Amino acid sequence: GAVVSQHPSRVICKSGTSVKIECRSLDFQATTMFWYRQFPKQSLMLMATSNEGSKATYEQGVEKDKFLINHASLTLSTLTVTSAHPEDSSFYICSARDRGGGARGGYTFGSGTRLTVV
Amino acid sequence: GIQVEQSPPDLILQEGANSTLRCNFSDSVNNLQWFHQNPWGQLINLFYIPSGTKQNGRLSATTVATERYSLLYISSSQTTDSGVYFCAVDMDSSYKLIFGSGTRLLVRP
Repeated sequence: GAVVSQHPSRVICKSGTSVKIECRSLDFQATTMFWYRQFPKQSLMLMATSNEGSKATYEQGVEKDKFLINHASLTLSTLTVTSAHPEDSSFYICSARDRGGGARGGYTFGSGTRLTVV
Repeated sequence: GIQVEQSPPDLILQEGANSTLRCNFSDSVNNLQWFHQNPWGQLINLFYIPSGTKQNGRLSATTVATERYSLLYISSSQTTDSGVYFCAVDMDSSYKLIFGSGTRLLVRP
């Protein structure tokens, strides 16, 4: 089945530094990837839609200069949290949509990255 | 934007019990999916069910698109069913999934 690999699974960084999170579709091509963040005991909130070869589309209220998204190939999207602050600490999850769709709707999620900013 | 509400927010069951989780949505949707998020955060796709009924083992789901709700049935619950259950919808050609508030399930042995 479709697999999405997300790295790192956990990261602790100092306030003011930047952190890059990678999301790879291992066995399918994903023209579209999605980035979510999830605070403890809350739902997933869509941050942005990442399209291969074009600029990401950000949801209202998400700072595009703080959360840099790059989708340079059909199998890789990256999210960089720039100048991280403690309030950016969260669980970040990527999702890739198989452009073939499929019986399960075509969405596969990565295992998430738990970011802690100290 | 579309509103997706789930009930109940929390549910505690004894192992072996049955349960029904509900997802209401405020507008017509192209797609509805149910997910299980395990304690480690991994989301598992349970059903792709924009309409109709599907079954997979002890789980089944029904979506009544005209009345804008979906139900997830869990029968003979097991401790491994614990976690958070989300429904998610997309309503246009953007394929963006909007998640509901979730139901947190705890199954006790």
